[in-house]
Amino acid sequence: AQSVTQLDSQVPVFEEAPVELRCNYSSSVSVYLFWYVQYPNQGLQLLLKYLSGSTLVKGINGFEAEFNKSQTSFHLRKPSVHISDTAEYFCAVSEIEEGGSEKLVFGKGTKLTVNP
Amino acid sequence: EPEVTQTPSHQVTQMGQEVILRCVPISNHLYFYWYRQILGQKVEFLVSFYNNEISEKSEIFDDQFSVERPDGSNFTLKIRSTKLEDSAMYFCAGGQGPYEQYFGPGTRLTVT
Repeated sequence: AQSVTQLDSQVPVFEEAPVELRCNYSSSVSVYLFWYVQYPNQGLQLLLKYLSGSTLVKGINGFEAEFNKSQTSFHLRKPSVHISDTAEYFCAVSEIEEGGSEKLVFGKGTKLTVNP
Repeated sequence: EPEVTQTPSHQVTQMGQEVILRCVPISNHLYFYWYRQILGQKVEFLVSFYNNEISEKSEIFDDQFSVERPDGSNFTLKIRSTKLEDSAMYFCAGGQGPYEQYFGPGTRLTVT
């Protein structure tokens, strides 16, 4: 069964600083990878996804992530954060298997706090 | 841009009561899901639904839970006899395929 580890539960950064949120996964088959963002009192919004092809994927709000198969990682990065990026970020995987339901398995989340 | 909607936004119920959580997925979606997030914990998969039947369910999704897509637009989650531990945020999600799932804003269920 697949699992997702987000190593940092909280990441405080200053405005305009770069940030990296780490995600590692475990699976015995190929996977799709996703990052979702949850703003306070809101639902989950898809930031970006890796399905195939280029290992560097770009998403909304200036975020990008790189799939590293050998390290089973999918870290999320942004070169310069804004106050409005303060939110909780969830990494998720979906195993690619015939007849599967493509359910998402989520990590515990990383709370990003951007300080002025 | 079409969105997944969920009603109600907040539901308070007494232990042992039945609740129905409603979702209206995006019209061209074929796969539907329910997830829940207990306060402070990770988002957990409950059930997936495709072609008018359950395709997979988790251990959490026991006999107290059921799902239905009664009229081709709504997608409902029913909990027959709620327990205190069912208190959580319940998210509906949908997608055209396995490559992405769009989530609704959630229903906060509080069982007292």
